[in-house]
Amino acid sequence: SQQGEEDPQALSIQEGENATMNCSYKTSINNLQWYRQNSGRGLVHLILIRSNEREKHSGRLRVTLDTSKKSSSLLITASRAADTASYFCATEYTGRRALTFGSGTRLQVQP
Amino acid sequence: DAGVIQSPRHEVTEMGQEVTLRCKPISGHDYLFWYRQTMMRGLELLIYFNNNVPIDDSGMPEDRFSAKMPNASFSTLKIQPSEPRDSAVYFCASSLSASNEKLFFGSGTQLSVL
Repeated sequence: SQQGEEDPQALSIQEGENATMNCSYKTSINNLQWYRQNSGRGLVHLILIRSNEREKHSGRLRVTLDTSKKSSSLLITASRAADTASYFCATEYTGRRALTFGSGTRLQVQP
Repeated sequence: DAGVIQSPRHEVTEMGQEVTLRCKPISGHDYLFWYRQTMMRGLELLIYFNNNVPIDDSGMPEDRFSAKMPNASFSTLKIQPSEPRDSAVYFCASSLSASNEKLFFGSGTQLSVL
């Protein structure tokens, strides 16, 4: 079963707006990662946040992690049409080296 | 570096046939993962290797699936015999080390079993 569940399943916004995606997970983790997948392509790593971190930034991306609620959020600021893709959270939970992926959020940015 | 290379890009086969998917990880990466992606089940881990040794194959659906990594630069995922429910996109990914957990994915193999 999938470790992470994401919401919303789909999100449509206008260019320039911010996009927020949320991820929840079930057990203790070593780290949580976010990946992007363009249609018909492989996944591309965006950002990693460790279990002892609360917030991390990378360019227009901001990730938060709340281990007490077992949840994370990905914020994309000033979105662009090129940000249109599916976004997945992935957790490396304690005791297992491999990542477990969530169900993903399909983001559509209208130009 | 060319990244993770998978072949073939597309595979169409008939039920009962043997299918072999191939992966070349990034040079120097110690970990190799095989994932399967479907609309119904999302991304599922099938198996992963560390230094060519299978560590966790609990995600392999059944005995029809097998994976090998004969050396650090090559891995195969074999399905024999194939069934229509095996139709999916199969991804190979690699990562550098235990302390560097970022995955690099290949472009995937789109498998269709008729």
